[in-house]
Amino acid sequence: SQTIHQWPATLVQPVGSPLSLECTVEGTSNPNLYWYRQAAGRGLQLLFYSVGIGQISSEVPQNLSASRPQDRQFILSSKKLLLSDSGFYLCAWSGVGVKMFFGPGTRLTVL
Amino acid sequence: AQSVTQLGSHVSVSEGALVLLRCNYSSSVPPYLFWYVQYPNQGLQLLLKYTSAATLVKGINGFEAEFKKSETSFHLTKPSAHMSDAAEYFCAVTNTGTASKLTFGTGTRLQVTL
Repeated sequence: SQTIHQWPATLVQPVGSPLSLECTVEGTSNPNLYWYRQAAGRGLQLLFYSVGIGQISSEVPQNLSASRPQDRQFILSSKKLLLSDSGFYLCAWSGVGVKMFFGPGTRLTVL
Repeated sequence: AQSVTQLGSHVSVSEGALVLLRCNYSSSVPPYLFWYVQYPNQGLQLLLKYTSAATLVKGINGFEAEFKKSETSFHLTKPSAHMSDAAEYFCAVTNTGTASKLTFGTGTRLQVTL
């Protein structure tokens, strides 16, 4: 069966510090991978998605970037965090079809 | 273009009462519609999906939703609420047949009281 992992589960970082969140998927090949951010009262915002290694689509301009160095690994990064980067970050994957599967999420607080 | 609107950011029901969470969609072509549930500090879990088969869709945990094209709605219901149903619920839509263009609503937080 397929499993999706995210780490860390929680993170508290000062403004201006770098960020690296990691997501890995097991039990499937060539998944589509996604990063969403969930801020209070704003639902889920799609940040990035990837259909293959090195292929990243950015949905909104922001202080973040994403990379996919391996087929089942998706990384969300920032060089300098802003207060507005605080939120709950969700990684997700999909295969052929419309079903999407979410990871457990990372709670990021920027102080 | 596609979008979903969830009416009511917070809904409170008594245990044993009917749960009704509202979702209206906008899509230029026949949509695929979904309901996801999120428990505190967890990821989203798929409750049910509509993919142009039966208009009444049954999901997990006793939830169901009915696709009504004339009303552009896909409301989520459960006949009798349990305390364990307290969570946030998201409606989502895509019109491309793939998950890559899934658009989520802003969510409805369901509170269940004794």
